[in-house]
Amino acid sequence: GEDVEQSLFLSVREGDSSVINCTYTDSSSTYLYWYKQEPGAGLQLLTYIFSNMDMKQDQRLTVLLNKKDKHLSLRIADTQTGDSAIYFCAERTSGTYKYIFGTGTRLKVLA
Amino acid sequence: DGGITQSPKYLFRKEGQNVTLSCEQNLNHDAMYWYRQDPGQGLRLIYYSQIVNDFQKGDIAEGYSVSREKKESFPLTVTSAQKNPTAFYLCASSFRQGTGTEAFFGQGTRLTVV
Repeated sequence: GEDVEQSLFLSVREGDSSVINCTYTDSSSTYLYWYKQEPGAGLQLLTYIFSNMDMKQDQRLTVLLNKKDKHLSLRIADTQTGDSAIYFCAERTSGTYKYIFGTGTRLKVLA
Repeated sequence: DGGITQSPKYLFRKEGQNVTLSCEQNLNHDAMYWYRQDPGQGLRLIYYSQIVNDFQKGDIAEGYSVSREKKESFPLTVTSAQKNPTAFYLCASSFRQGTGTEAFFGQGTRLTVV
């Protein structure tokens, strides 16, 4: 069945790079998303990538996709305290309307 | 400004009561979704709707009901049959077709049973 997995916690020092990892199971054509959730708020879309791409960069964010291993990562360069939040990976198979979310990775940035 | 509005932000319910959570979007999105979030469990899909007057059960639909009479609105009713309704509820919407069709989320409603 469909499943998306993430590690639960990540702690980094301010100024370092953060790498948040995600694995998924659906091998069909799919969209993969990264969302950020701050305490008590909804999810904010950060970026997305289609499964025919290997990489996407947007300012401090870099998404890498390894299709063979079904592994997705989000790299945040120069991590700041304002980046502390929960980060969700999600997938959606093309042609469907169902998004599958991971459990979220709680990123803590230490000053 | 376009967006998704959920109301209320906080809701308290007595056991045995039904409550309705509101979700309105002005993004002209076709599809709308309701998710439940519990600590450490990520988001679980309750119901989703692709078009007006049509909706499908998600993974945890028992004890919930929805309606989609207007494109802009997708209210969720938490019935007394839902055994453990205390949670954070998130509404989302997206286009049906096109590049990305990423889902946009509201700010959530925190429901507490007292």
